[in-house]
Amino acid sequence: EAQVTQNPRYLITVTGKKLTVTCSQNMNHEYMSWYRQDPGLGLRQIYYSMNVEVTDKGDVPEGYKVSRKEKRNFPLILESPSPNQTSLYFCATGGAWGYTFGSGTRLTVV
Amino acid sequence: GQNIDQPTEMTATEGAIVQINCTYQTSGFNGLFWYQQHAGEAPTFLSYNVLDGLEEKGRFSSFLSRSKGYSYLLLKELQMKDSASYLCAIGNTGKLIFGQGTTLQVKP
Repeated sequence: EAQVTQNPRYLITVTGKKLTVTCSQNMNHEYMSWYRQDPGLGLRQIYYSMNVEVTDKGDVPEGYKVSRKEKRNFPLILESPSPNQTSLYFCATGGAWGYTFGSGTRLTVV
Repeated sequence: GQNIDQPTEMTATEGAIVQINCTYQTSGFNGLFWYQQHAGEAPTFLSYNVLDGLEEKGRFSSFLSRSKGYSYLLLKELQMKDSASYLCAIGNTGKLIFGQGTTLQVKP
């Protein structure tokens, strides 16, 4: 079954404590991307990757890092989380024919 | 710059037809997507238009006019489970830009 797996689903953390949200896909897609979703602002792209070792900034990359060392994984790293990064995060994979999203990670930074 | 506009909310009756419009201004365009998102869940893919015209998929159809920067999603024979947010998104070489979404409420 085609899947995009994000972990964790829920996370509460404190300001400044580094965290990683993992994303894994089993569809052998080259393209992967991260989004955050906030009320009134919709889905905004953080980073995307067109292939292994190729990453590019989306519209809101500040405060985030990503890496793409292998095709199936695309972790999102928050080196020093702040309360304004409290949001619902989605990973996605796919291409021009459509994108498949993970189930989401609800992050709260206190 | 890029701008995508959709109505914030719409209400329709079960069994009816509803059209959700999306207008856009973008510096690059590879295609237009429509997604459905139920509250607290991941968006799910509905349709993709790259050329002008109508794409039909069961109860859902999507139309695109690139010259007018306009698309619509048409939902027929509305069901209660169609109550959700509908997201218009523009693809542009790796970037996927979303509108803020239209929340559709289907009433009995």
